Amino acid sequence: EDKVVQSPLSLVVHEGDTVTLNCSYEVTNFRSLLWYKQEKKAPTFLFMLTSSGIEKKSGRLSSILDKKELSSILNITATQTGDSAIYLCAVEEQGAQKLVFGQGTRLTINP
Amino acid sequence: GAVVSQHPSRVICKSGTSVKIECRSLDFQATTMFWYRQFPKQSLMLMATSNEGSKATYEQGVEKDKFLINHASLTLSTLTVTSAHPEDSSFYICSAGTSGWGTQYFGPGTRLLVL
Repeated sequence: EDKVVQSPLSLVVHEGDTVTLNCSYEVTNFRSLLWYKQEKKAPTFLFMLTSSGIEKKSGRLSSILDKKELSSILNITATQTGDSAIYLCAVEEQGAQKLVFGQGTRLTINP
Repeated sequence: GAVVSQHPSRVICKSGTSVKIECRSLDFQATTMFWYRQFPKQSLMLMATSNEGSKATYEQGVEKDKFLINHASLTLSTLTVTSAHPEDSSFYICSAGTSGWGTQYFGPGTRLLVL
């Protein structure tokens, strides 16, 4: 059975800190790994990763995939209170198109 | 960018009634739509995958007769919760994708409360 595990489940830091969120997966035929940010409503798309070792960056957020270790990290530098959210990692299988989500990491940024 | 809408955003109903939730892709044609359920403080759980013009594929443990899915056009899918019970209270989210995409775009979700 496909499985996606995120850690930590919860993280509280101060504004300005840098955080690293982890995602590991076990899937039969990996196609892509996606990161989403969920505030009060539905998730919003952050990154899609398909190739190992290539960093994707968007402002203070960056992410990289390690296919050998079957994992990915999401980094947020110079955190702001607006970064407080649940960060979800999901994996897509070849040909399936459906996503398997991890439990999410609840990130809280205190001023 | 790709926009997906859901209606209603919130619904409260009595036990035993049926509730229909609509999911629309506003600026693109979605060959595939997905329905998820999210309980408080838990992650998204896929309920079913819906392809336009064909029967939905349900995940293990999801009752197809209780959660009726219709995907009649490339821009609209509906989820009907039949004979709703309090344990069906949850946040229901749809997403839409196009064949070949890895990215799914999510609707804003529908919060269902069954009394």
